[in-house]
Amino acid sequence: QSALTQPPSASGSPGQSVTISCAGTRSDIGAYNYVSWFQQHPGKAPQLLIYEVSQRPSGVPDRFSASKSGNTASLTVSGLQAEDEADFYCSSYAGSNNWVFGGGTKLTVL
Amino acid sequence: QVQLVQSGAEVKKPGASVKVSCEASGYSFTGQFMHWVRLAPGQGPEWMGIISGGDGKTTYAQKFQGRVTMTRDTSTSTVYMELRSLRSEDTAIYYCAKDQFGSYNMDVWGQGTTVTVSS
Repeated sequence: QSALTQPPSASGSPGQSVTISCAGTRSDIGAYNYVSWFQQHPGKAPQLLIYEVSQRPSGVPDRFSASKSGNTASLTVSGLQAEDEADFYCSSYAGSNNWVFGGGTKLTVL
Repeated sequence: QVQLVQSGAEVKKPGASVKVSCEASGYSFTGQFMHWVRLAPGQGPEWMGIISGGDGKTTYAQKFQGRVTMTRDTSTSTVYMELRSLRSEDTAIYYCAKDQFGSYNMDVWGQGTTVTVSS
């Protein structure tokens, strides 16, 4: 059982937008602006998509955006493309040099 | 560019130990921290711990304390993760991931090491 709660699945048609939630507590997401999102394609290592709640590393398309409200973070993928189909994981710093992850959301592009 | 290269797949019997290595290149090894994260089949990632490339100080997730040891060798820019008393539930892909200084996240990941625990 993961510390952060994500929906197990999400889906959308090409061109649509989809939002994935990540629920934590006031000890992790609610306490720090250090929420990250990772994308993992089958057989590959996870890749950093978003850091510090809403920052995109260079090379990540601006179709990926994220935010936080209270103890919940959200990732939005706009203009869905076939290559966006993957597993998405959220993570948060939880204090005292500890981190927590979500259980993951499988995104299907219909 | 930053690269993390991990050791190869391992098959272990229950009760045994496994030691996974992660060789870093392309950045100042002693100036950064390294995380270890595992991904078991059908589950979300589990954060296992973090080690300083500089002084070797570690913080382990409570779940793994007493069973995991992380070390580093600055001469080869390599970090190691040893997990003892293996059980079937430890079957997973183990990743090292570089901490992004000041941002509390994992910005570059190794390719992963599959550890299978089976009698």
